[in-house]
Amino acid sequence: NAGVTQTPKFRVLKTGQSMTLLCAQDMNHEYMYWYRQDPGMGLRLIHYSVGEGTTAKGEVPDGYNVSRLKKQNFLLGLESAAPSQTSVYFCASGGRYNEQFFGPGTRLTVL
Amino acid sequence: KQEVTQIPAALSVPEGENLVLNCSFTDSAIYNLQWFRQDPGKGLTSLLLIQSSQREQTSGRLNASLDKSSGRSTLYIAASQPGDSATYLCAVNDYKLSFGAGTTVTVRA
Repeated sequence: NAGVTQTPKFRVLKTGQSMTLLCAQDMNHEYMYWYRQDPGMGLRLIHYSVGEGTTAKGEVPDGYNVSRLKKQNFLLGLESAAPSQTSVYFCASGGRYNEQFFGPGTRLTVL
Repeated sequence: KQEVTQIPAALSVPEGENLVLNCSFTDSAIYNLQWFRQDPGKGLTSLLLIQSSQREQTSGRLNASLDKSSGRSTLYIAASQPGDSATYLCAVNDYKLSFGAGTTVTVRA
């Protein structure tokens, strides 16, 4: 039982490049979330999903897109990376009572 | 918009002392409240979840209380150990989590 896993763990991009972050959970949770964590800003919600095939915007959605084609996977895409998107990205899934469980994070640097 | 505040921002105590971490929130219409621990460079580990109908929740040396009417939660850690050194985050769930900035705890041996 791996819980929540994230791929990749680290990535360096150049401005304008695109990439996709993958989150996978094996707990059969309905809810999944993408957050970013920045020094002095805390954790902020980017997008979330309340079930397979659904997505919704969070607090800071601009510049990101998401997809939830399978219940266990939640993908976060950056179409044209900007230096302001340098951050640590965390995925979480929500189970009973929406108790959230987090993945180990992806450190993204955009040059 | 829900605002979550954690005081103090940092705390340093000698080993064996009890820890008291505070969390306040502005909107009492919450579903639940969750306390997390984060070690440097790592993800968040869930410590305790308190549902809105509960007053407190306990796990080992950890005890968390919730007073919705005053918009407050407190995390107590008994008999602190150096391994308790970490950042503790409070998150309020009104169907989306809103996080406080955290309290960074250092337990001195």
